[in-house]
Amino acid sequence: EAQLVESGGGLVKPGGSLRLSCVATGFSFSDNGMSWVRQAPGKGLEWVSSIGRSGTSIYYADSVRGRFTISRDDAKKSLYLQLNSLRAEDTAFYYCVRDRYNLDIWGQGTLVTVSS
Amino acid sequence: DVVMTQSPLSLPVTLGQPASISCRSSQSLVHSDGNTYLNWFQQRPGQSPRHRIYKVSDRDSGVPDRFSGSGSGTDFTLNISRVEAEDVGVYYCMQGTHWPRTFGQGTRLEIK
Repeated sequence: EAQLVESGGGLVKPGGSLRLSCVATGFSFSDNGMSWVRQAPGKGLEWVSSIGRSGTSIYYADSVRGRFTISRDDAKKSLYLQLNSLRAEDTAFYYCVRDRYNLDIWGQGTLVTVSS
Repeated sequence: DVVMTQSPLSLPVTLGQPASISCRSSQSLVHSDGNTYLNWFQQRPGQSPRHRIYKVSDRDSGVPDRFSGSGSGTDFTLNISRVEAEDVGVYYCMQGTHWPRTFGQGTRLEIK
């Protein structure tokens, strides 16, 4: 069964940094694009960033460009999101998602809270 | 960016009755490869979103056939033929044709 498990969330002060990780099992990680999607508590879904196979294509939402960095390690079947210069409005559940134009496999999410 | 507009935002439905959610995009979702990457997700309370329908009308494995998707170009619909209690939650449409990927605001389906 295909599965994604995120980790790395937590409480951080404004201006701080955090690194999220996601481990994939049950499918060929290297053959798939991957994305991060976030959801502020009680709000809707917001796409954050995507990375293509082999990391050749990378995209960011305007709201995070220049502050967040997506990366992948196919040998470890892992996806990462480095979050820098965090703001209160970055508070959200962050989901790791398999992306084949259709975001078909989602992790359980990891909560990032930005607060002083 | 492509704006995805859903309606209604709240949908009370009697058990066993049909439900319909509209999703409109601000530009055509036909990709250069000929496919239309319009997806539907269900998010039950306290859970992660689950992918239900891709390329407008293709159901994911295990999705009941009471769920169906239709539409083309900029106008799409998710239909549930007979609502069951397990269908409660928020439904989102999302386009995967253009960057950035964009979601609709969500439609909350509840049992009347």
